[in-house]
Amino acid sequence: AQSVAQPEDQVNVAEGNPLTVKCTYSVSGNPYLFWYVQYPNRGLQFLLKYITGDNLVKGSYGFEAEFNKSQTSFHLKKPSALVSDSALYFCAVRERGATNKLIFGTGTLLAVQP
Amino acid sequence: DAGVTQSPTHLIKTRGQQVTLRCSPKSGHDTVSWYQQALGQGPQFIFQYYEEEERQRGNFPDRFSGHQFPNYSSELNVNALLLGDSALYLCASSSTSGSWNEQFFGPGTRLTVL
Repeated sequence: AQSVAQPEDQVNVAEGNPLTVKCTYSVSGNPYLFWYVQYPNRGLQFLLKYITGDNLVKGSYGFEAEFNKSQTSFHLKKPSALVSDSALYFCAVRERGATNKLIFGTGTLLAVQP
Repeated sequence: DAGVTQSPTHLIKTRGQQVTLRCSPKSGHDTVSWYQQALGQGPQFIFQYYEEEERQRGNFPDRFSGHQFPNYSSELNVNALLLGDSALYLCASSSTSGSWNEQFFGPGTRLTVL
């Protein structure tokens, strides 16, 4: 069965510092991986995806993610954090098959201090 | 172009009651998926509708049922509500055309069962 793990419930970082939110996955075959962000009382907003190709994926709002097949990881990164980046971040893998069902991790709360 | 819309935004019910949640997909989308996000958890897939039929179902009891209308909008019905059904219910729409049919999420309906 496919699964996603986000080992950190919360990540704290100072504004202007680089940030990393960790994600590891377990899939059979090649993975389709996603990052979504959720602000309070809002739905999920798509940040970026990895389907194939370059291991470094660039997405919205200056975020990027590095796909590492040997470590089965897909960590989210940003060179310089903003206070407005504070939100709940979810890593997800698309289940293989006829539908585009997503399997989500438990989420990581990112807190950026001014 | 309106994105995915959901109604109502908030709902309070008591145990044993029945509830209906509604979703209008993004323009041009023909597939609707429903997810349940319990507090502190990642979204869990409930089911997906395409061509007015349930195409895939997650690990949810039969108390959860759905419907898709000819205009692609969808309803989620939950019967015999339990306290544990309290959650944010997210609707996501996608199109079967396109290379990887990204899902777009609505803002969700927050259901509280007392």
